[in-house]
Amino acid sequence: EVQLVESGGGLVKPGGSLRLSCAASGFTFSSYTMNWVRQAPGKGLDWVSSITSSSNYIYYADSVMGRFTISRDNAKNSLYLQMNSLRAEDTAVYYCATGDTAHLYWGQGTLVTVSS
Amino acid sequence: DIQMTQSPSSLSASVGDRVTITCRASQSISNYLNWYQQKPGKAPKLLINDASSLQSGVPSRFSGSGSGTDFTLTISSLQPEDFATYFCQQSYSAPRTFGQGTKVEIK
Repeated sequence: EVQLVESGGGLVKPGGSLRLSCAASGFTFSSYTMNWVRQAPGKGLDWVSSITSSSNYIYYADSVMGRFTISRDNAKNSLYLQMNSLRAEDTAVYYCATGDTAHLYWGQGTLVTVSS
Repeated sequence: DIQMTQSPSSLSASVGDRVTITCRASQSISNYLNWYQQKPGKAPKLLINDASSLQSGVPSRFSGSGSGTDFTLTISSLQPEDFATYFCQQSYSAPRTFGQGTKVEIK
């Protein structure tokens, strides 16, 4: 059974940092492009970042470019999102999701709240 | 970035109704269009990829069509479990932008 389990969310002050993790199991993690997608409370889905299977290609949304860093450790079947200089508008549930052209598997999400 | 516009933003329908949701891209995306269903408090679920390919396990009452800039998701006979929010997403180019969502509510 495919499982994606996010962790690391929480309450952080504006300007602060947080590191999200996504633990994967039940599939060959090292073969898949992985993504972070977020959803602000009551809002739609917002793609954040993608990383290819070997970390050769990395993409970011303009809104997080220069502040967020995606990475992965294929030996640990894990995906990460380092978030710096956090803003109120980064408040959202952050999901990790598999796939390049379509996101078949999703985690349950982890809530990040940026507030003073 | 490619903009994805869904309509309507919400709709009310009854069980058994035929429901159609549209998604328009700001430029041609061929058939690189996905549809997701999301229920409250849950992660999105992929229903259809490449505009019309139904994912395994998704009921056949769901169908997708379109190419270029205009796409539709159709639910042929709405069931109680279909009340949810539906999102389109283009996978033609990065960033993989989503539509704003269509909430399907009970009439």
